[in-house]
Amino acid sequence: AQSVTQLGSHVSVSEGALVLLRCNYSSSVPPYLFWYVQYPNQGLQLLLKYTSAATLVKGINGFEAEFKKSETSFHLTKPSAHMSDAAEYFCAVTRNTGNQFYFGTGTSLTVIP
Amino acid sequence: NAGVTQTPKFQVLKTGQSMTLQCAQDMNHEYMSWYRQDPGMGLRLIHYSVGAGITDQGEVPNGYNVSRSTTEDFPLRLLSAAPSQTSVYFCASSQKPGQGAYSPLHFGNGTRLTVT
Repeated sequence: AQSVTQLGSHVSVSEGALVLLRCNYSSSVPPYLFWYVQYPNQGLQLLLKYTSAATLVKGINGFEAEFKKSETSFHLTKPSAHMSDAAEYFCAVTRNTGNQFYFGTGTSLTVIP
Repeated sequence: NAGVTQTPKFQVLKTGQSMTLQCAQDMNHEYMSWYRQDPGMGLRLIHYSVGAGITDQGEVPNGYNVSRSTTEDFPLRLLSAAPSQTSVYFCASSQKPGQGAYSPLHFGNGTRLTVT
């Protein structure tokens, strides 16, 4: 079975500091990986996706993630945090059959002014 | 473009009552799914559908029924509500089943359900 593990249910960073949210996957076949963001009282929005075309993936709002097969990781980063980045972030995995997406437990990001 | 629309936004039920959570999408997506979100557990798949007339179970299907009579609609039915079903429910759709890599999920804004 596929799964993703997000290390750290809560992360706090200062405004302007580096954001690093961790995601590790477990999959017996090459996975397809996603990061979603959820703002309060809203549904999830796609930030970026890895589809094997390139290991470094750029998403919206300045976020990017790097797929590292040797580490089975897909960590999300942003060089400089903004107050508007405060939200919950979810890593998700699927295979190309695409009928089931598996989500991590989420990381709540707080940005301190 | 409305995207994925869920109704109601909030609902309170008593134990044993039944209800239907509505989900509609206007993007002509073939794939639709229901998730529940609970603190510390992320999103868990309840049921999904790859097209009209086709449904299947996800990770946590017990206590829920679905049907897909049209491409646009995918209602979720709670037959006899229990306090353990208190949760936030999300409907999500994508363009094509079987192409998860290139067809990410589009989410509705959720229904917050409380069962007392």
